[in-house]
Amino acid sequence: QQQVKQSPQSLIVQKGGISIINCAYENTAFDYFPWYQQFPGKGPALLIAIRPDVSEKKEGRFTISFNKSAKQFSLHIMDSQPGDSATYFCAASRDGNQFYFGTGTSLTVIP
Amino acid sequence: DAGVTQSPTHLIKTRGQQVTLRCSPISGHKSVSWYQQVLGQGPQFIFQYYEKEERGRGNFPDRFSARQFPNYSSELNVNALLLGDSALYLCASSLADSNSAQYFGPGTRLLVL
Repeated sequence: QQQVKQSPQSLIVQKGGISIINCAYENTAFDYFPWYQQFPGKGPALLIAIRPDVSEKKEGRFTISFNKSAKQFSLHIMDSQPGDSATYFCAASRDGNQFYFGTGTSLTVIP
Repeated sequence: DAGVTQSPTHLIKTRGQQVTLRCSPISGHKSVSWYQQVLGQGPQFIFQYYEKEERGRGNFPDRFSARQFPNYSSELNVNALLLGDSALYLCASSLADSNSAQYFGPGTRLLVL
């Protein structure tokens, strides 16, 4: 059973636009929700993370929105740039132990 | 500061062989986790070690084993390799075993022929 479901599988956005990636989780015991960015041939890099006691967290152009009742969270990339083109993964964990990852979203930002 | 380092970067093995992958965590990090990432998928949890003790194990067969050393570096061993073991093996380190961000290394690309 997929613990974290991610959509869309791929996304194409114009430069300057907003990229939105969504995730849903099942286990209400999860208490840490990070987003990772991965370029081809590289390991995932931590972008931003949120805990369920807040509904939104912003760091630069990246914002996480968190809806505890719906068990959903999303990543918004404002003013998307071609350099943001990568695969993005959401994840969830309980007590920072085993992390469950989504299946990834391939983002392409076209100039 | 150096990030998580892994060796080797690439490895080619044949079915039935054994492989050992190595990971050095970020300085000061005491927890190391191992993940398998098949092409086009998200990382799948294999093991977590904290203070040299196993703290979690994912749904992988007993052919997979790991250990953590006193300097907090770690090894992942895979015996009796199968074609399906071909993947990117990622190591991640964190400060503590709970409520801590995990930072990934570049991975070891394993190809089993």
